[in-house]
Amino acid sequence: NAGVTQTPKFRVLKTGQSMTLLCAQDMNHEYMYWYRQDPGMGLRLIHYSVGEGTTAKGEVPDGYNVSRLKKQNFLLGLESAAPSQTSVYFCASSLRPPGTGKGEKLFFGSGTQLSVL
Amino acid sequence: LAKTTQPISMDSYEGQEVNITCSHNNIATNDYITWYQQFPSQGPRFIIQGYKTKVTNEVASLFIPADRKSSTLSLPRVSLSDTAVYYCLVGGGNQGGKLIFGQGTELSVKP
Repeated sequence: NAGVTQTPKFRVLKTGQSMTLLCAQDMNHEYMYWYRQDPGMGLRLIHYSVGEGTTAKGEVPDGYNVSRLKKQNFLLGLESAAPSQTSVYFCASSLRPPGTGKGEKLFFGSGTQLSVL
Repeated sequence: LAKTTQPISMDSYEGQEVNITCSHNNIATNDYITWYQQFPSQGPRFIIQGYKTKVTNEVASLFIPADRKSSTLSLPRVSLSDTAVYYCLVGGGNQGGKLIFGQGTELSVKP
């Protein structure tokens, strides 16, 4: 049982390039999230999904797009990377709405370190 | 969304008990309080969750007063390996699943 797997773990892009980060979970979770974490800072929500085929904006959605075509996968895309998008990106998932009791919690991946030059 | 406020940083020594308090004045009736721990270069991991009074597991205790406007994470007899950032989160279900982290508390445990 792998849990939440993020691909790739590291990536260096040039300004203007595009790329897609993949998050895969094998726990049949409905809820999936993308966060970014800048050095010395907390996590900021980019986009999230409450089920297959759904996406919603978080706190900092600009410059990113997401898709949830399959329940187990949540893709984060950068169409034209900018240096301000240099960050560590974390994906997380939850079976039910996290924070609603019954021990519902987020499971996080190990992160993707992205540098945009 | 219920906003949370925590101290930015705390220092402690090995063997001491550490209490980290989180304020959440506008917590909703259905909201639970959840704490996560994050080590450097890792994703956060769940520590404990509660709704009211006291919850205890093998890692920590969570104290929630009757008005639920704050909560306190208690780590007994900390060790160097407890050095991490601790996040308090409130709710998520009432906001359609939108879950926003606060700034967290950076705990530094010294020998």
